[in-house]
Order: sequence, then C-alpha cells, then structure tokens
Amino acid sequence: KNEVEQSPQNLTAQEGEFITINCSYSVGISALHWLQQHPGGGIVSLFMLSSGKKKHGRLIATINIQEKHSSLHITASHPRDSAVYICAVSLQGAQKLVFGQGTRLTINP
Amino acid sequence: NAGVTQTPKFRVLKTGQSMTLLCAQDMNHEYMYWYRQDPGMGLRLIHYSVGEGTTAKGEVPDGYNVSRLKKQNFLLGLESAAPSQTSVYFCASRNSGRIDTQYFGPGTRLTVL
Repeated sequence: KNEVEQSPQNLTAQEGEFITINCSYSVGISALHWLQQHPGGGIVSLFMLSSGKKKHGRLIATINIQEKHSSLHITASHPRDSAVYICAVSLQGAQKLVFGQGTRLTINP
Repeated sequence: NAGVTQTPKFRVLKTGQSMTLLCAQDMNHEYMYWYRQDPGMGLRLIHYSVGEGTTAKGEVPDGYNVSRLKKQNFLLGLESAAPSQTSVYFCASRNSGRIDTQYFGPGTRLTVL
C-alpha cells in the first residue's frame, strides 16, 4: 500500500463545476504539499500546509491531521485548470517528500 | 532569477551509452533532489543532497550516480543506460529549514533505445 493515496485518479468535469481532489496518508508528516503539473510542463507548488486551511484565488487546500487526510478544492473550474494535481508529504525527521500518484483533471468548456 | 534549470531538455540514448544530466539553481538552496517520473507511478526519489559535497540514496538509486561539487549544481549520471531508465527526470531544490517548498526544474525527457 502506498504511503500517500490520491483519489480520484482521473476526473473530468464541465467548466464552472466545483472540484474536489482527495489525499490520504499513512505516515507521520511535518507538512503536506499540493503541486500542479500542466501537460508537457514542469511542476509548481500550489500549497504547503501543516494544519487548517489555505486559500489562493479559486484554490483551497484543507488538512485534517487527526484523520490524515487533505483535500484540494477548485471553485468555478476553468479549462486552464486542466492539469495533474499531485499530493506529497514531508516525512517527520526526513528531508524528503513522498508523492501520491497524481490526479489527472480535465475541465471541458 | 532563473530558478532551477535542467540540461538537456530531451535526449535519446542507445543501451549502454552514458550521459550526465545537469541541474543548476540560483536560489542558494542547500538541498537538491533528483526524481524520475513514470506513468502511473508518481515521482520517485533517485538521489538527493543536503549540502555541497554530500549525497544520499533515495528510493530508486540503482544505475545512477550523482555529484554535488558546487552548491548550485547537482549532476545525475547514467554510466550504462538501460531501456528501464527511459523516463522524465526532474530536479528540485529547497532551503534547509525543517520544512519548505521544493522548486522544480522543467524536466528532462530521456529515451533509451
């Protein structure tokens, strides 16, 4: 079983829909990261959080430490949000990240 | 600032050939990482470095070597390439705080025939 599990693996939605991507982890962490990777493109960090909730524009990330679960929400989704979203965790006491397999999001106009 | 850069962007090798991938960062970061990304498997750590002159093995180090002779550069070497090393390789760097954001390079697409 992977230490970091994302769901769903693939998600297709219509423009304007509210999107939720989930991430569960099974290890002790210092922080959780959400990353975005556009087709053929590099990887950029969206959020790093260790508790509560963060918001940036139409993106919201939440984390529940007790339940070892995080969600990434996108409000009023747009075709330019189409990308792979990756959850990663910073392991306690380590300088490394462990990555989920990613969620491929497609937003149709 | 250029951030994290990788050279080359694309490369095709024949089995048994060798090559070096170069990662450079201009953010004065202590930590640098090499990952490979394969379909359906997510990013996997090959090697990493926590400072100039140091290296450590990650999750999938076999078949690769690394060097960090200068703080700003992290080199990934393939001594004898194999088709199983066909992948997209990403370099990343970050500050040395307890936790911090990793900054990724644009990736190198390597095909081994």
